[in-house]
Amino acid sequence: EPEVTQTPSHQVTQMGQEVILRCVPISNHLYFYWYRQILGQKVEFLVSFYNNEISEKSEIFDDQFSVERPDGSNFTLKIRSTKLEDSAMYFCASSGRNIAGNTIYFGEGSWLTVV
Amino acid sequence: AQSVTQLDSQVPVFEEAPVELRCNYSSSVSVYLFWYVQYPNQGLQLLLKYLSGSTLVKGINGFEAEFNKSQTSFHLRKPSVHISDTAEYFCAVTLSGGGNKLTFGTGTQLKVEL
Repeated sequence: EPEVTQTPSHQVTQMGQEVILRCVPISNHLYFYWYRQILGQKVEFLVSFYNNEISEKSEIFDDQFSVERPDGSNFTLKIRSTKLEDSAMYFCASSGRNIAGNTIYFGEGSWLTVV
Repeated sequence: AQSVTQLDSQVPVFEEAPVELRCNYSSSVSVYLFWYVQYPNQGLQLLLKYLSGSTLVKGINGFEAEFNKSQTSFHLRKPSVHISDTAEYFCAVTLSGGGNKLTFGTGTQLKVEL
């Protein structure tokens, strides 16, 4: 069973610090995503990425956030200056085609705690 | 914009009993519907999806769901649950016309007891 892997599994950071969350999507997938889940709340869409550019982003994904695919295997989410309200579980996901054509596979998540 | 409501935050059930987890959606256009499961300390795993065709959809682990357009519902059912089904279950929706954004419900914690 192919899987999406994420690192770190848990990170504690001080407010104002930069954080990079890393993901290795499934190797032949073309669409990449980040979602987040604040404790006790819904899983929320952040951004989708296709063909080396953002294809869609939510209101949450403001200038503090950026995504990058620095090489052929990694997909990263950077939070430039973390705030307390950025504390959440961040899920990376990938799919071979768009949602209707294929399944989105999620990673196990990176739990970010901002103190 | 589309939205999903999962009214039950927790559902306790005894092993081998049937279970139904409720999901209602709101959208002005056609949608695709999904159920995901999250086992403790794991990622989200697709249980089943409805894109078109038969309104009764069968998924993994003996789960099934029925799409009801008139009631805008997509309830998840299993006739006999096991302890191993204890997990968080998320209903999600996306627009059928395009886009790759899943909108999730708040989740239902299924707790199966002996």
